[in-house]
Amino acid sequence: GAVVSQHPSWVICKSGTSVKIECRSLDFQATTMFWYRQFPKQSLMLMATSNEGSKATYEQGVEKDKFLINHASLTLSTLTVTSAHPEDSSFYICSARDRTSSWSRTQYFGPGTRLLVL
Amino acid sequence: AQSVTQLDSQVPVFEEAPVELRCNYSSSVSVYLFWYVQYPNQGLQLLLKYLSGSTLVESINGFEAEFNKSQTSFHLRKPSVHISDTAEYFCAVSYGGGNMLTFGGGTRLMVKP
Repeated sequence: GAVVSQHPSWVICKSGTSVKIECRSLDFQATTMFWYRQFPKQSLMLMATSNEGSKATYEQGVEKDKFLINHASLTLSTLTVTSAHPEDSSFYICSARDRTSSWSRTQYFGPGTRLLVL
Repeated sequence: AQSVTQLDSQVPVFEEAPVELRCNYSSSVSVYLFWYVQYPNQGLQLLLKYLSGSTLVESINGFEAEFNKSQTSFHLRKPSVHISDTAEYFCAVSYGGGNMLTFGGGTRLMVKP
């Protein structure tokens, strides 16, 4: 149980293009999903928190117009990196919290998406 | 600001030896505590968690962690490690029932034959 998927797992794109990453909770409903960024050999950096049906809350220093987050349903959140540049290359990981056990604050993580912008 | 500290960035250990990965957090308010494991090029997998009750929690693969409120610690231990335990381990804390998890910097466990 509590499986989270991400698609794609790898993406390589040219500078200036936009990339959409999907995060799905497969066997539970998630009212809250989180998007993280991880640089090599470093910990996770929270980018934003998204709640189903409302606007995402971005962490300080994260450009909301650059990283568009949509949480349209209880099982799907998307992160779109707009006009991607090489400095956006990173490992992006999403997580989701089960609606039925949100009190536990447990987050279940997806496998991550590695983005390389040329 | 609330923080989580993992004192060791790398822990090399021989196979079948015991290991302890240290985690300290900054506040004594009510906390929920988690350990996650990350294998190369993968996301994080929940290893174990402390929410309430017994201060000693165990995972299915032999790891255990003990919540020590007075020392604000949640160290992870395993009495005998395997090569397959080689991975990055992250300690995470939810402070005061808040929405977010605060992560430590991670500890790379390297098990050598």
